[in-house]
Amino acid sequence: EVQLLESGGGLVQPGGSLRLSCAASGFTFSSYAMSWVRQAPGRGLEWVSGISGSGGSTYYADSVKGRFTISRDKSKNTLFLQLDSLRAEDTAIYYCAKHLSGRNWGALDYWGQGTLVTVSS
Amino acid sequence: DIQMTQSPSSLSASVGDRVTITCRASQGISNYLAWYQQKPGKVPKLLIYAASTLQSGVPSRFSGSGSGTDFTLTISSLQPEDVASYYCQMHNSAPFTFGPGTKVDIK
Repeated sequence: EVQLLESGGGLVQPGGSLRLSCAASGFTFSSYAMSWVRQAPGRGLEWVSGISGSGGSTYYADSVKGRFTISRDKSKNTLFLQLDSLRAEDTAIYYCAKHLSGRNWGALDYWGQGTLVTVSS
Repeated sequence: DIQMTQSPSSLSASVGDRVTITCRASQGISNYLAWYQQKPGKVPKLLIYAASTLQSGVPSRFSGSGSGTDFTLTISSLQPEDVASYYCQMHNSAPFTFGPGTKVDIK
């Protein structure tokens, strides 16, 4: 059974940093691209960042480019998102999600329960 | 970047009604389009990918169609458990943009 478990969220001041983790199990982690998707309170879904199975390719939404860094640790089956220079508008639930296809990324077929990031003074 | 739009933004329909939601991409994306359902307070769930392929376990009353820039999600007979927000997403290349969502409830 595929499981994705996020952690690392919390309350942080504007300009601060957080590191989110997503522990994956139930599939061959290194074979699948992964993404982070966020949802601000009462708002829709926003794709934030994605990383290929090998970790060699990374992509970011314009809203977070230069501030967030995605990475993965094959030995620990864990996905990460480093959040720097945080702003109030980054307040959201952050979900990690697995891409369906091993080769061509594809849709997001499994999602974690999410971790809440609140940016406020 | 490709932009995704959805219409309507919300709808109210009776149990048993046929419901159609439209998604439009600002550029052609072939059939690289997914639909997700998010019930209140829950995690998003993949319903359809590649525009028309039903994800395993999804009821057959859900169907998807379209190619290029225009896509539709159809619920053939709306059920009370279908109350949710529905999002389209392009999945051919990053950024994997979502549409703004359509909220569906029961009249």
